[in-house]
Amino acid sequence: RKEVEQDPGPFNVPEGATVAFNCTYSNSASQSFFWYRQDCRKEPKLLMSVYSSGNEDGRFTAQLNRASQYISLLIRDSKLSDSATYLCVSPSGAGSYQLTFGKGTKLSVIP
Amino acid sequence: GAVVSQHPSRVICKSGTSVKIECRSLDFQATTMFWYRQFPKKSLMLMATSNEGSKATYEQGVEKDKFLINHASLTLSTLTVTSAHPEDSSFYICSAPRDQKETQYFGPGTRLLVL
Repeated sequence: RKEVEQDPGPFNVPEGATVAFNCTYSNSASQSFFWYRQDCRKEPKLLMSVYSSGNEDGRFTAQLNRASQYISLLIRDSKLSDSATYLCVSPSGAGSYQLTFGKGTKLSVIP
Repeated sequence: GAVVSQHPSRVICKSGTSVKIECRSLDFQATTMFWYRQFPKKSLMLMATSNEGSKATYEQGVEKDKFLINHASLTLSTLTVTSAHPEDSSFYICSAPRDQKETQYFGPGTRLLVL
């Protein structure tokens, strides 16, 4: 049973567009969530952490809906450099450092 | 800057040889580190949890005798792929949690190609 589900995409959007990704999780005990960004042939890099209802950092906004068990990531004013795969990540268990990764959503920002 | 390093970044070896990959936390101590494997266009798959001072915990389907893990110190974990075969060719990535909020930082990965 998959614990973190994401739409694999790809999402192809023009520069300047707003794009949103959704992710659902099954571990209702999870207290925190993360969005990682992974460029082709590179390691994942932490983009945002989500501990309460949401978090905002510049053009990026993450929202958490515990009742529906989903997390979203909104990217405003897309840049070419935003092209990457975005991974939704949930801790595997309470107090555990293990992470469960979604399969990722691929974003391509087109000139 | 980088907080977790890996060495080597890439390695090409012959089938049957063993390959050792090092993962280091650079400015913090990590009692736990994780090893992942990622095949092309696939998601990260956790292989094992490396524990300083005790045996590693392997995920289902991962052979512990083939993928030897040694957490030698609070800043170093090694993964040795023994008797490597072409199907072991993959991108191996380690990670370590640095704070109590479970945020993990990843090493840059090691690309293994077994001929």
